[in-house]
Amino acid sequence: QKEVEQNSGPLSVPEGAIASLNCTYSDRGSQSFFWYRQYSGKSPELIMFIYSNGDKEDGRFTAQLNKASQYVSLLIRDSQPSDSATYLCPIGGSQGNLIFGKGTKLSVKP
Amino acid sequence: NAGVTQTPKFQVLKTGQSMTLQCAQDMNHNSMYWYRQDPGMGLRLIYYSASEGTTDKGEVPNGYNVSRLNKREFSLRLESAAPSQTSVYFCASSEATRAGGGELFFGEGSRLTVL
Repeated sequence: QKEVEQNSGPLSVPEGAIASLNCTYSDRGSQSFFWYRQYSGKSPELIMFIYSNGDKEDGRFTAQLNKASQYVSLLIRDSQPSDSATYLCPIGGSQGNLIFGKGTKLSVKP
Repeated sequence: NAGVTQTPKFQVLKTGQSMTLQCAQDMNHNSMYWYRQDPGMGLRLIYYSASEGTTDKGEVPNGYNVSRLNKREFSLRLESAAPSQTSVYFCASSEATRAGGGELFFGEGSRLTVL
């Protein structure tokens, strides 16, 4: 069964710093990887997806995928208090669904 | 642009009562999903529907039933609610139907408390 592991945190960084969030996954055959952000009391919203090894950048966010080591990470540059949320890194399942870990809570301190 | 709409947003039930959570999407997606989210447990798949007329069990289906009424609507029913079903329920839809997954679009969630 596919699993996703995340450090639940909380991860605390000062405003303006780089926040680094990491996930490992169990199935070497996984093909699609996502990063979602979830504010308290709200639904998850997509930040970005990544399918190929290497880096993918979108504004202040960079996703990094290493399939050989079975990990995916998210870097948030110039972190802002508005980035404080729980970050989810689901992987693609066998029926079009996504498989989620427990999420990492990020707190950005002013 | 409504996206995925869930009702109700909040509900309190007594043990043994039944209720149905409604979900509708206007993005013409084939696939729809019901997840539950509990503190410390992450999002877990209850049921999914890859297309109109089909439904399948996910990771935690016990105590639930679903109906894919048409392409737009996917409902989740609790026949006899238990305190263990206290959770936040999310409906989601996706274009993806094959292995590998695709972006999920989530509704706002339904917070259910069973006393």
